[in-house]
Amino acid sequence: GDSVTQMEGPVTLSEEAFLTINCTYTATGYPSLFWYVQYPGEGLQLLLKATKADDKGSNKGFEATYRKETTSFHLEKGSVQVSDSAVYFCALSKNGATNKLIFGTGTLLAVQP
Amino acid sequence: NAGVTQTPKFQVLKTGQSMTLQCAQDMNHEYMSWYRQDPGMGLRLIHYSVGAGITDQGEVPNGYNVSRSTTEDFPLRLLSAAPSQTSVYFCASSYPESGEQFFGPGTRLTVL
Repeated sequence: GDSVTQMEGPVTLSEEAFLTINCTYTATGYPSLFWYVQYPGEGLQLLLKATKADDKGSNKGFEATYRKETTSFHLEKGSVQVSDSAVYFCALSKNGATNKLIFGTGTLLAVQP
Repeated sequence: NAGVTQTPKFQVLKTGQSMTLQCAQDMNHEYMSWYRQDPGMGLRLIHYSVGAGITDQGEVPNGYNVSRSTTEDFPLRLLSAAPSQTSVYFCASSYPESGEQFFGPGTRLTVL
C-alpha cells in the first residue's frame, strides 16, 4: 500500500544552520505531497505542498521539490531559527482526496540559540 | 471564524467507559476526518466523511463510530474504551481537492 517514510529525529541544530529533513514515498499513480508542521501543544498546519512532478513548494523560507524519479520530497531551509522548533510531517494524498492523508512518522526539530 | 474546534482538550476514562469527542468547523468544508497520533507512528486515519450523511472507514476504525448529521459537526464515539485507545485525537476539515486540511487543536485521551 501507499506509505511515507521520513528520517527519524530528533534533529538538533544551531540557529542559522541549514536544515534537510528527508522524505520518500511509495504510491501508485501521481500523489500530491505535503509538509505539515506541528508546534508544541497545537494541531498540524500546512507548511507547503506540491501536486505534480518537479513542482517546488515553498513557504516561510522552507522549500521542497517533488522528485518523481527518486520518489522524494525533502524539506530544506537555508537558515533555521529557534521559532522553527516543531515536529514536521511529510504526507501524501491520492486522487485529490484531501480528507485521506497518509502521514510519515514525523521528525522533531530542535533549534538551539 | 473559529476554524476547527475540538472538545474536550483532555479526558481520562476507565476501561469500558464510553464517550464522544466533539468536532465542529465553521468553514463550510465538505470533507472532515478523524486521526489519531501515537508516538513513532505519525497520524493514522480513523474515519472520514465527504459530506453530511456520508461516512467511511479509514486505516484504524475498530472501536470507533462516527456520524455526520450536519456539515459542521463530526463527532467521534468510543463505545467501550480500551487502553489501546490512549492517544491524541485530531479532527480535520477541507474542501474537496483543495490540497489543505485544517486541523483542530486535538484531544488528549488517556484510558486507564
